Amino acid sequence: GDSVTQMEGPVTLSEEAFLTINCTYTATGYPSLFWYVQYPGEGLQLLLKATKADDKGSNKGFEATYRKETTSFHLEKGSVQVSDSAVYFCALISNSGYSTLTFGKGTMLLVSP
Amino acid sequence: DTAVSQTPKYLVTQMGNDKSIKCEQNLGHDTMYWYKQDSKKFLKIMFSYNNKELIINETVPNRFSPKSPDKAHLNLHINSLELGDSAVYFCASSRDMGLLSTDTQYFGPGTRLTVL
Repeated sequence: GDSVTQMEGPVTLSEEAFLTINCTYTATGYPSLFWYVQYPGEGLQLLLKATKADDKGSNKGFEATYRKETTSFHLEKGSVQVSDSAVYFCALISNSGYSTLTFGKGTMLLVSP
Repeated sequence: DTAVSQTPKYLVTQMGNDKSIKCEQNLGHDTMYWYKQDSKKFLKIMFSYNNKELIINETVPNRFSPKSPDKAHLNLHINSLELGDSAVYFCASSRDMGLLSTDTQYFGPGTRLTVL
C-alpha cells in the first residue's frame, strides 16, 4: 500500500536558519504530494502541493519539488522564523482509487529566537 | 466564517459512555472525512462521505458510526468508549473525492477526546 516516510523530529533551529525536512513516499503510479502544517492547538492547513513530477509547490517562503526519480518531496525554507514552529506533515493522494490522504508521521519544528 | 467547524473542542468522558462529535462545513463541498490523530501525532483516515453516501470505511471498530444528515454535516458517534479511543479527531472536507481527484482537503480544528 501507499506510505510516506518523514524524518524524525523534533528539528530544532535558530531563527533565520535554513530548513530541510525530508519526505519520501511509496505509491503506485503518480501520486499527488502535499505538505500540511499544524500549529499548536490548531487543525491542519495545506502549506503547498505538487501534482506531477518536477512540479514545485511554494507558499510562505516554503518550497518542495516533486522528484519522481528519488520518490521524494523534501520541504525547504531559506530562513525560518519563530512563528514557523509547528508540526509538518507530508502526505500523498494516490492516483488510483478514491482520493484519501496518506500521511507521514509528522515532523515537529522548533525555532528559537 | 469558519470553513470547517467541529464541536466540542474538548471532550472528557468515562469508559463505556456513548458520545458524539459534530462537524459542519460551509464551503459547499461534496465530500467530508473523519481522521484520527493518535498520541504520537499519526493521522489516519477513518471514514469519508460523498454527497451523504459512505465511500470509505477503513478498519474502524463498528462502535464508531458516522452519520451525514446532509452534505454540509458529518457527525461521528462513538459507542462504549474505550481508553484507546483517546485521540484528536479531525473532520475535513473537499470539493470532490472522485477517482483521480487531488482537491485540497480543508481541516477542522479538531476534537480532543479523553477517555478516563
